[in-house]
Amino acid sequence: GAGVSQTPSNKVTEKGKYVELRCDPISGHTALYWYRQSLGQGPEFLIYFQGTGAADDSGLPNDRFFAVRPEGSVSTLKIQRTERGDSAVYLCASSPTPGEKLFFGSGTQLSVL
Amino acid sequence: AQSVTQPDIHITVSEGASLELRCNYSYGATPYLFWYVQSPGQGLQLLLKYFSGDTLVQGIKGFEAEFKRSQSSFNLRKPSVHWSDAAEYFCAVGASYGGSQGNLIFGKGTKLSVKP
Repeated sequence: GAGVSQTPSNKVTEKGKYVELRCDPISGHTALYWYRQSLGQGPEFLIYFQGTGAADDSGLPNDRFFAVRPEGSVSTLKIQRTERGDSAVYLCASSPTPGEKLFFGSGTQLSVL
Repeated sequence: AQSVTQPDIHITVSEGASLELRCNYSYGATPYLFWYVQSPGQGLQLLLKYFSGDTLVQGIKGFEAEFKRSQSSFNLRKPSVHWSDAAEYFCAVGASYGGSQGNLIFGKGTKLSVKP
């Protein structure tokens, strides 16, 4: 596609449930990033993939969060046992090379009730 | 600790007036510096970036920023603001090398309002 696509755009879930958020990067971009943006804050780094492997996962807040990119293209961010504090906009970005211009998607608004 | 500070949470300027958004950073290594803009309902868009070389960088939409190492600053400027510039602006810093290149640290943002 023309840009980074994230689905769903909105996700409402109940505390304790499992959610998956999908990111479809720009074709050919080898680097893929997940960020989280809480209300009134700037984006906060979660994880970055170079190809299929996680090059830096230092931003994942705890072991309830996990992300995969099995074929080096689409990525899924998985959150287990969701908590109300997980409510935020989850942003995905991709770039042709690491650290260069990031192209962001419009995000998934996650609401945990 | 690595950090980015945007001291102004909200700025209002008149259309046609000049604009300067402040950004200060704390980073141990040689940083890459970025300004992103976020309009309502849209994804973050890169305005400009500084990697090396000329400390005055030009970006899209008539924006420019100046890197001042001695002040650890990377302020964003525009000589004449248009109503369509109303948005939230984020400064970010990243590693220039190594495995943490994808880990950008963002400031909390400055919301820009433009008066007619």
